[in-house]
Amino acid sequence: NAGVTQTPKFQVLKTGQSMTLQCAQDMNHEYMSWYRQDPGMGLRLIHYSVGAGITDQGEVPNGYNVSRSTTEDFPLRLLSAAPSQTSVYFCASSSWTSPSYEQYFGPGTRLTVT
Amino acid sequence: AQTVTQSQPEMSVQEAETVTLSCTYDTSESDYYLFWYKQPPSRQMILVIRQEAYKQQNATENRFSVNFQKAAKSFSLKISDSQLGDAAMYFCAYRATGANSKLTFGKGITLSVRP
Repeated sequence: NAGVTQTPKFQVLKTGQSMTLQCAQDMNHEYMSWYRQDPGMGLRLIHYSVGAGITDQGEVPNGYNVSRSTTEDFPLRLLSAAPSQTSVYFCASSSWTSPSYEQYFGPGTRLTVT
Repeated sequence: AQTVTQSQPEMSVQEAETVTLSCTYDTSESDYYLFWYKQPPSRQMILVIRQEAYKQQNATENRFSVNFQKAAKSFSLKISDSQLGDAAMYFCAYRATGANSKLTFGKGITLSVRP
């Protein structure tokens, strides 16, 4: 049981490039989400999904796209990277059967946009 | 909208002493969960303790305990017998019940432990 995995761990992009951050979980969790962490800002929700085929925007969705074609995977796409997207990105998952809806976090991806 | 406030950006504690990290939140819900997460330099998010709002008893996990004051919307974390490994960033978080509920974080507090 690997939990929540994220790839890559580190990435450097040039302004305007696109890329996809991968997230996968093997716990059959219905709920998956993406956060970004910036100094002094805590973790802010980008997008989330309550099940395959269902996604919705969080607090800071601009510049990011998501899709959820399977229960296991929830990729985050940056279509045209900007320096303001330099951040640490976390994927998380949880299940409604957990009594506290505890979220399990991946190890994070540090993204730098130059 | 729910908000979580951690007003102290940094704190320091002597090894073996006790420290309390403060958190307040704002919500109109009556049923929800509160969490404290620890983020060491490895940046992995680690759940330290959780509290269910409908339980009046304060949660405890070994050296970690909370002081949950529902009416005051306050949720502080007490770390007893502080250890060097407790040095990390700590985040307070809130989540309402319900299928679409989101986890809302405070801005975090950096705890340093002096040997």
